[in-house]
Amino acid sequence: DQQVKQNSPSLSVQEGRISILNCDYTNSMFDYFLWYKKYPAEGPTFLISISSIKDKNEDGRFTVFLNKSAKHLSLHIVPSQPGDSAVYFCAATGGGSTLGRLYFGRGTQLTVWP
Amino acid sequence: GAGVSQSPSNKVTEKGKDVELRCDPISGHTALYWYRQRLGQGLEFLIYFQGNSAPDKSGLPSDRFSAERTGESVSTLTIQRTQQEDSAVYLCASSSQPGEKLFFGSGTQLSVL
Repeated sequence: DQQVKQNSPSLSVQEGRISILNCDYTNSMFDYFLWYKKYPAEGPTFLISISSIKDKNEDGRFTVFLNKSAKHLSLHIVPSQPGDSAVYFCAATGGGSTLGRLYFGRGTQLTVWP
Repeated sequence: GAGVSQSPSNKVTEKGKDVELRCDPISGHTALYWYRQRLGQGLEFLIYFQGNSAPDKSGLPSDRFSAERTGESVSTLTIQRTQQEDSAVYLCASSSQPGEKLFFGSGTQLSVL
């Protein structure tokens, strides 16, 4: 039962353009969302997060948008750079039975080409 | 150490053998997690330790899997009678607060032949 879904397994973007990675969730108990980035043969590293009390959080080239009514969040990378090529995981956590656990999506492979 | 350390980085074993994977979390982190990633799949939750509380074992796929943690330090994940479907990267992560930003190790690539 996948409670966090990333429906696009891959995305290819030209350098300098915007990358938009999408994520949907089903559990209304989730109230904190994170994006992780993973290079081959390395563990995932934290990128950016957002609390459900916000609808936008920005950190440099990375912005996460949250639409609670649609149970949807997205990660925008502007401008995209070749070094951004990696697998991006969306994750969620919250209260109740989800407390303390992070639920991950299956990831989206982003390729940024020159 | 500065980050989460896992050993071994690679493990090849024969079907039916037992394996033990080790994780050294970041010092002071009370929460410790084990995830696995099978080829082409996402991160699958296995088990979560928080301080001295009983661990959340709800993600362990079978009774062949078990994990222990000594206080707020080292954790070991043991897989008994390994099967080919156990082949995966096993990732350990720790955090200073449950559900907060997790810091991952580089993982153990387990291959069961």
